[in-house]
Amino acid sequence: EAGVAQSPRYKIIEKRQSVAFWCNPISGHATLYWYQQILGQGPKLLIQFQNNGVVDDSQLPKDRFSAERLKGVDSTLKIQPAKLEDSAVYLCASSPGTSGSGQFFGPGTRLTVL
Amino acid sequence: GEDVEQSLFLSVREGDSSVINCTYTDSSSTYLYWYKQEPGAGLQLLTYIFSNMDMKQDQRLTVLLNKKDKHLSLRIADTQTGDSAIYFCAEFSSGSARQLTFGSGTQLTVLP
Repeated sequence: EAGVAQSPRYKIIEKRQSVAFWCNPISGHATLYWYQQILGQGPKLLIQFQNNGVVDDSQLPKDRFSAERLKGVDSTLKIQPAKLEDSAVYLCASSPGTSGSGQFFGPGTRLTVL
Repeated sequence: GEDVEQSLFLSVREGDSSVINCTYTDSSSTYLYWYKQEPGAGLQLLTYIFSNMDMKQDQRLTVLLNKKDKHLSLRIADTQTGDSAIYFCAEFSSGSARQLTFGSGTQLTVLP
């Protein structure tokens, strides 16, 4: 079974530029998550989708971050404009449902903002 | 809000047992997880325990849960150099949040 796929793996941009990340979850997983992991910290949830609807986006900085999950499969996370403090690894995860049975993570995208 | 705490570093000799500890604050936690993260990689789900269990064993891994003290531990028997990684404790709440809350991770170094 293929795991969670993410691209690109690495991205370097200058502040105030825009960037987008892509995620393809495990086939059949209804729930998709985007996390931000700053160096030396655990992942922090940004947004959670159930199929193509948003379940929780309370920690998403909506003035600059946006995410969508069209057709309830792939998802994109966008940052516009980027700030220096957005430098982090952006992790996508998926799970079959929302009951806490375990989330499966992709390899992440390492973003560096100069 | 919920909080999960772990010690930052642990060093052990190859062949010894490793014990990584975690404390959490949310009394409505239903599942508790251990994830492993190797350099440049995502998080790998190692094991999890349901909150009504005290212990779970899976090959070299033993998870102990003390719900009264809100303390979780992961014991790795016969630790190998390939076990060197960052280990994250995470709790899933059945409350209004219904999301995973992670600790900051414990860097395990296995010395030859």
